[in-house]
Amino acid sequence: EAGVVQSPRYKIIEKKQPVAFWCNPISGHNTLYWYRQNLGQGPELLIRYENEEAVDDSQLPKDRFSAERLKGVDSTLKIQPAELGDSAVYLCASSWGGGGIRETQYFGPGTRLLVL
Amino acid sequence: AQSVTQLGSHVSVSEGALVLLRCNYSSSVPPYLFWYVQYPNQGLQLLLKYTTGATLVKGINGFEAEFKKSETSFHLTKPSAHMSDAAEYFCAVSEGVGGGSQGNLIFGKGTKLSVKP
Repeated sequence: EAGVVQSPRYKIIEKKQPVAFWCNPISGHNTLYWYRQNLGQGPELLIRYENEEAVDDSQLPKDRFSAERLKGVDSTLKIQPAELGDSAVYLCASSWGGGGIRETQYFGPGTRLLVL
Repeated sequence: AQSVTQLGSHVSVSEGALVLLRCNYSSSVPPYLFWYVQYPNQGLQLLLKYTTGATLVKGINGFEAEFKKSETSFHLTKPSAHMSDAAEYFCAVSEGVGGGSQGNLIFGKGTKLSVKP
């Protein structure tokens, strides 16, 4: 079974440029998460989807970040414009959905973003 | 609100020695607790989790953790370290019942484990 797929794995951009990350969750997983992991820190949730609905985007900086999961499968996270402080690893995770707090989340390898 | 504290950002042990990684949590509801491992340039992989029932939880790669409610702790142990255990380890608590954040994970800052030959 394929795991969570993310692309690209690495991205270097200049500040003020836009950038997008793509995630394809494990087949059949209804819940999808985007996390940001700063250097030396644990992951922090940005947004959670249940199917195509964003059920928790309270931590997403909406002035520059946007996300979509149009058909309830793969998802795109966008930053426009990027700032120096956005340099981090962006992780996507998925879970079956409906299990709430007991569920195991499965993580992709992440996209490492460097903003110059 | 839930929170997680991992004591020690870096732990170094010799191969064959006991591994002990500390995690304390804060939660106003019965917590569900997780340990994840992250190898360099990879995503996080679940080691083990505590939901209900037995307080000693066994995971993959010989790791186990014990939930101690009185101490609000969920420390991770392995009797004998192997070179392949070198990685970063994250403790996490699942946000409580109700509301849009139910099921979200709150992570600690991580502990980097080094294993010396």
